[in-house]
Amino acid sequence: AQTVTQSQPEMSVQEAETVTLSCTYDTSENNYYLFWYKQPPSRQMILVIRQEAYKQQNATENRFSVNFQKAAKSFSLKISDSQLGDTAMYFCAFMPPYGGATNKLIFGTGTLLAVQP
Amino acid sequence: GAVVSQHPSRVICKSGTSVKIECRSLDFQATTMFWYRQFPKQSLMLMATSNEGSKATYEQGVEKDKFLINHASLTLSTLTVTSAHPEDSSFYICSAPGQGYETQYFGPGTRLLVL
Repeated sequence: AQTVTQSQPEMSVQEAETVTLSCTYDTSENNYYLFWYKQPPSRQMILVIRQEAYKQQNATENRFSVNFQKAAKSFSLKISDSQLGDTAMYFCAFMPPYGGATNKLIFGTGTLLAVQP
Repeated sequence: GAVVSQHPSRVICKSGTSVKIECRSLDFQATTMFWYRQFPKQSLMLMATSNEGSKATYEQGVEKDKFLINHASLTLSTLTVTSAHPEDSSFYICSAPGQGYETQYFGPGTRLLVL
């Protein structure tokens, strides 16, 4: 069974600084999808970034980038130039490649990030 | 991007009553929707997969008779918490896969408080 582990329950960063959130996963699949979702105090889940396992290039979205290490089964999220609005719970998630519309997301336990002014 | 709505956003009910939560895909069709439960400062726990035109698939440990799911159309799924008790108080979130299936779009959630 696939599992997702986030070993940092809470993290803090100063505004404008860079922070990296860790995520590891376990799977025997070769192709799959990885995601970082953000859940701010409003509790709306927001997709931050997505990575396809068959792509070697790390995904980037503006200030957000990932370090995808497939062999190590590691998928960390780097937030550059942190902003107060980045304060949120961040969830790493795994999705297997099969199942079509019934594909289930497997979530990690989350990392609560606080951006300090 | 794709938008998923939920109604109501917040509901308070008395113990023993039933509560219905709606999940709608506003600008796309969804043959599948997912229902999650989330306790404070915890992760999302998948409760069930809602399938249009067929029975829902429940995760292990989730009471089917307690949490009734109906996927009435390609844009609407409902979760009914029957005979609610205080321990059912939680935050309930739905999601639906987009066209490519690999990206899920989440509703804003429903906060249920059972007194």
